[in-house]
Amino acid sequence: DQQVKQNSPSLSVQEGRISILNCDYTNSMFDYFLWYKKYPAEGPTFLISISSIKDKNEDGRFTVFLNKSAKHLSLHIVPSQPGDSAVYFCAASPNSGTYKYIFGTGTRLKVLA
Amino acid sequence: GAGVSQSPSNKVTEKGKDVELRCDPISGHTALYWYRQSLGQGLEFLIYFQGNSAPDKSGLPSDRFSAERTGGSVSTLTIQRTQQEDSAVYLCASSQGTLNQPQHFGDGTRLSIL
Repeated sequence: DQQVKQNSPSLSVQEGRISILNCDYTNSMFDYFLWYKKYPAEGPTFLISISSIKDKNEDGRFTVFLNKSAKHLSLHIVPSQPGDSAVYFCAASPNSGTYKYIFGTGTRLKVLA
Repeated sequence: GAGVSQSPSNKVTEKGKDVELRCDPISGHTALYWYRQSLGQGLEFLIYFQGNSAPDKSGLPSDRFSAERTGGSVSTLTIQRTQQEDSAVYLCASSQGTLNQPQHFGDGTRLSIL
């Protein structure tokens, strides 16, 4: 049973436009969410996180939105750059302070120059 | 460097052999995690260490898998009598604590069982 789902395996976006990556979860106990970026042959790199007490967190070109009622989060990248091309994983942590991240299967983003 | 270091980066071995994977976490990080990523899958949690103790080993797939951590630092993941389904990228991560602290990952060990 996939508790964290990324239903789009891939996404292509033109350079300079907005990239929107989506993630859905099923467990209402999740209260800390993260996005990671992964290049080939490298480990995932932490991008941005959000606690369930917020509905938005912004860091430079990256903004994460959380809709608790819909059990949905999204990552917006504006403007998209070719260097953003990577696989993006969302992750969720059940219960504050819990270490066990549940990861989605990833979305491969390709930013076209 | 200052990041999580894993070795070897690649390991190819024959079915039935034992393998040992090493993780050197970020200095000062008390929490250490092992994950596995099989082809086309997300990351699968294996085990978590707080200091030298492993409060949660629930993700270890079978009793052929074990891990230890010594000195609150380096950790080794051992797979005995490897099987082809053990082929995956094994990722280690560390964090300063567990309360809403992001985990920082190493580049992983790509394990291939022939």
